[in-house]
Order: sequence, then structure tokens, then C-alpha cells
Amino acid sequence: QSALTQPASVSGSPGHSITVSCVGTSSDIGQYDFVSWYQYHPDKAPQLLLYDVSHRPSGISTRFSGSKSGNTASLTISGLQSEDEAYYFCCSYAADNTFVLGNGTRVSV
Amino acid sequence: QLQAVQSGAEVKTPGASVKVSCKPSGYRFTDYGISWFRLAPGQGLEWMGFISTYSDEANYAQKFHDRIGLTADTDTSTVYLELRSLTSDDTAVYFCARGGGSRPLFDSWGQGTLVTVAS
Repeated sequence: QSALTQPASVSGSPGHSITVSCVGTSSDIGQYDFVSWYQYHPDKAPQLLLYDVSHRPSGISTRFSGSKSGNTASLTISGLQSEDEAYYFCCSYAADNTFVLGNGTRVSV
Repeated sequence: QLQAVQSGAEVKTPGASVKVSCKPSGYRFTDYGISWFRLAPGQGLEWMGFISTYSDEANYAQKFHDRIGLTADTDTSTVYLELRSLTSDDTAVYFCARGGGSRPLFDSWGQGTLVTVAS
């Protein structure tokens, strides 16, 4: 199972918006509406941001939103803040109760 | 409050095995399964496997299926990851997380355990 493809880095100015893409195949992202996104600050535990493509868990800012089109999922962060500087990983269901993740995107503000 | 506490850092020699523990709390242990991930230097997060704490059934990523073992102890509410035949490529931070099965919804993570494999 190949990793999902994410850009290595994305940068944006405070208050602006950025979008992180996550490209998969017709066997994972393209086939299931089961995509989640995680924020990771080094030396901390990853945090769930979105699940089922666009659903936010309680406590997650509305500045984080998700979408999917074909084999590509996207995470948009609006109103960028310095605390958003982190790594972001996408994750998709990939059949037979297995999962595949992206290589991660470093977001700079 | 959901949390998961993992065991401490390990240093192993090539060919050895390592066993990492994960003790979740804040919910009934058997209500949710546990997945394991790792993050190697310069690599992305990698899903390794999942264990149902209710049925004790596990499934593994193909990449690890011949040298990984997941177990759950309901008496101590602890899940264990064992990885065998270690190489330097297994040097990584290993995370446990609540969730898995048929849906990639991992909503509570351990703090991570650094495993270093070096001769």
C-alpha cells in the first residue's frame, strides 16, 4: 500500500488561508468517504482535526475544514495563526480494515 | 479525560525484539480498539496494526505482518505492541491511538515511545 501524497510544505501569512492536498487512488480516498486529518507538533501526541472527510470533533476550531473530490482530499486552514505551525497528516481507509497515511505536510505561518 | 500512557524509550540491537505498552484511560477499555503507528525520521506516519480489546482479534499492515504482535490485557487495561527482528529502519517513535477497525478515526493518542535500534 503506497502512502498518500501530500506536499512537503505549505506556508501562509497570519490571517490568510491555506489548503493542504492529499492525493490517493481509487482504492482508498476515491472509494471511501473515510478520510481523517491529524495535527502533529513534534514531541507531542498527534491530534485529530477532521474525520469522515469534513467532520470536526468537539473542541476543534471551525477554522479547520475538509473536503474531497475524486482521489484527492483537502484540508483548509483559514485565519492562520502561529499556533497552526505544525505537521499535518491525512489518513484514509484502504479496504480490509487497513489504513494508509500521507507523508505529512509542514505548515509554516 | 481521555489519555493513553505509553512505556518509556527503548534501545535495542539489530535482530532483537521490542515490546511497547499502552494504557488508555477515561473510558471502558473494551469499548474501543487500539491502533499502533510509527513515525520514523524523515518519514510519514505509518499505520502498523489494530487490535480489538473486546475480541482480542488483530489485523496488521502487510509490511509488518510477519514480525508484529498485538495483545490486549483486559485485567490491566493495557495493550502491547511487539516488533521482532529489528533493524535500524525500525528506529522511530511508536504511538498507540484509540480507534481503527473499519474507520480512520483516532481520537486519543499516547505520548509516543522512542525505539532506537543500533549496534
